[in-house]
Amino acid sequence: SYELTQPPSVSVSPGQTASIACSGHKLGDKYASWYQQKPGQSPVLVIYQDTKRPSGIPERFSGSNSGNTATLTISGTQPMDEGHYYCQAWDSSAGNVFGSGTEVTVL
Amino acid sequence: EVQLVESGGTLVNPGGSLRLACAASGFSFSDAWMNWVRQVPGKGLEWVGRIKSKSDAVTTDYAAPVRGRFTLSRDDSKSTLSLQMNSLTPEDTAVYYCTTEQQLIGGLDVWGQGTTVTVSS
Repeated sequence: SYELTQPPSVSVSPGQTASIACSGHKLGDKYASWYQQKPGQSPVLVIYQDTKRPSGIPERFSGSNSGNTATLTISGTQPMDEGHYYCQAWDSSAGNVFGSGTEVTVL
Repeated sequence: EVQLVESGGTLVNPGGSLRLACAASGFSFSDAWMNWVRQVPGKGLEWVGRIKSKSDAVTTDYAAPVRGRFTLSRDDSKSTLSLQMNSLTPEDTAVYYCTTEQQLIGGLDVWGQGTTVTVSS
């Protein structure tokens, strides 16, 4: 099976930068995507193909992917960015694998 | 407007069966790769399975926990995705989302609101 590992939580002050790592074997050889989920809502795609933002996603969201780690960066974090974030990648054996999720708190 | 609307979630006994549906609108459903993703309340996202388009041979892939029990199918004439779930266990209790997938580049870009399946006696 294939696993993606994320830190359970990240705290950030308003206006500062939050970084969330997602680790998996040779993850850099796959396309990584990221999702934001707020309480009671469906997930929203914020990054796909490692670095691309869907229409309507603010520029403060960016992504990178190399080696065994993909990273989601939120620059100038706002209170509205609080929620859970999940990484995801396709593995030929395991399918669409999701990370364990990271709760972002803006203090 | 691009929209996915799931239905069919309910309370079912262990060992029972259930069929979920996802009605799609606002995009070319016949060209879309479609997925089901589930989430136990308060827990993370878990992929269930994927079905490709007719042009990609309607290929299906399943997560290990559901392989052999769940079946994805599609009716392009009705823009509807289905999930047939058999031999249900309490571990299948979750909110089930249908999603579209961007072909080859990844990313599940459109999500429905979810439908709740509870497996309990």
